[in-house]
Amino acid sequence: DTAVSQTPKYLVTQMGNDKSIKCEQNLGHDTMYWYKQDSKKFLKIMFSYNNKELIINETVPNRFSPKSPDKAHLNLHINSLELGDSAVYFCASSPGMGDQPQHFGDGTRLSIL
Amino acid sequence: GNSVTQMEGPVTLSEEAFLTINCTYTATGYPSLFWYVQYPGEGLQLLLKATKADDKGSNKGFEATYRKETTSFHLEKGSVQVSDSAVYFCARSHTGNQFYFGTGTSLTVIP
Repeated sequence: DTAVSQTPKYLVTQMGNDKSIKCEQNLGHDTMYWYKQDSKKFLKIMFSYNNKELIINETVPNRFSPKSPDKAHLNLHINSLELGDSAVYFCASSPGMGDQPQHFGDGTRLSIL
Repeated sequence: GNSVTQMEGPVTLSEEAFLTINCTYTATGYPSLFWYVQYPGEGLQLLLKATKADDKGSNKGFEATYRKETTSFHLEKGSVQVSDSAVYFCARSHTGNQFYFGTGTSLTVIP
């Protein structure tokens, strides 16, 4: 009965590879997000989708491409991985736009060798 | 830049000590304010929120009051427990459902 689930939990790969992280929410929420958390715990929003439509696209390299096949899923594909991409990536969802709190997944720890 | 500033950590307290983690924000208008908690190896969880001036959010013994005059939302708990050890994030809402998070404050409670 996990609310926001993301897979995999851990991802270890080499520089230059392409990888994907999947996220699904079963809360019926309209809005989903991807965040990046660095080693100092600083949390930075990357993307936000509302009803499968891109709403927020922060200054993120175009090697990162989100895809939302339906409003319950928001996947993140990363091309040509670099050392600086090592971080924990969090998916989140909220009921909609506005001041509503967000529900987070448990994170995907990405390590680039 | 980041419009939420919170007290830098790490913070180490003995069990049953009083906790305050300071948070101030900058905003035009009146955003909603939140505290999130992140336990080791987990995602962020909403701890409490306040949506307008003078509102007090509370949960699990934690409290924070929305102070418009000082643009602050300090987190307090009267008596911390070992299980409160976590990273605490202050956040404010923004247009388009974007959130601004503070940099996080790590709390360790020792027995």
